[in-house]
Amino acid sequence: DTGVSQNPRHKITKRGQNVTFRCDPISEHNRLYWYRQTLGQGPEFLTYFQNEAQLEKSRLLSDRFSAERPKGSFSTLEIQRTEQGDSAMYLCASRGLLYNEQFFGPGTRLTVL
Amino acid sequence: AQKITQTQPGMFVQEKEAVTLDCTYDTSDPSYGLFWYKQPSSGEMIFLIYQGSYDQQNATEGRYSLNFQKARKSANLVISASQLGDSAMYFCAMREGVPLLGFNKFYFGSGTKLNVKP
Repeated sequence: DTGVSQNPRHKITKRGQNVTFRCDPISEHNRLYWYRQTLGQGPEFLTYFQNEAQLEKSRLLSDRFSAERPKGSFSTLEIQRTEQGDSAMYLCASRGLLYNEQFFGPGTRLTVL
Repeated sequence: AQKITQTQPGMFVQEKEAVTLDCTYDTSDPSYGLFWYKQPSSGEMIFLIYQGSYDQQNATEGRYSLNFQKARKSANLVISASQLGDSAMYFCAMREGVPLLGFNKFYFGSGTKLNVKP
């Protein structure tokens, strides 16, 4: 399968714990996006990487959130001191240089108890 | 103002009939792209169709077509011959700016839940 993959698919954690999600984009795609999607809403932009550089961050990305993309390959999104309001689907998408559309992964559903 | 507006939270359609899902957008950028994605209950966003702001003809992809009315800033999705497997959430999205130049932000609407009845 050469699509975008995300791990884990589901994560249940207790408030205050740290969690980390991983995204493996399509190999030749240099652009990578993270989104958050809450129930009944469309995806909201969180952050953007072009190769290994994090070029854009949304105001939604509080200082408890951090994202990395070492070597321009896979990316990780970490949430520290999780809160119940962090419960959502976290989607990763990648995009090639010549592509208009983004290709999404299956998402990681986070539940904070 | 909302960048993407989808005014139909839910729609029903009879199997084999056509259905139109509405989308209006707001941008002052002359270069933009419009997208439709399908999200089944499994959660994955599936790309359906794309329309560029400079494209003269409406985009078509199999049973999907995009009714692009630039002056009205609308980009409605038309699904012909609906199938039971079309039941899902559908999201309209917009990319502002020229796609090859740096960062392009994508904006998504709140979605329309389509139910296809047998």
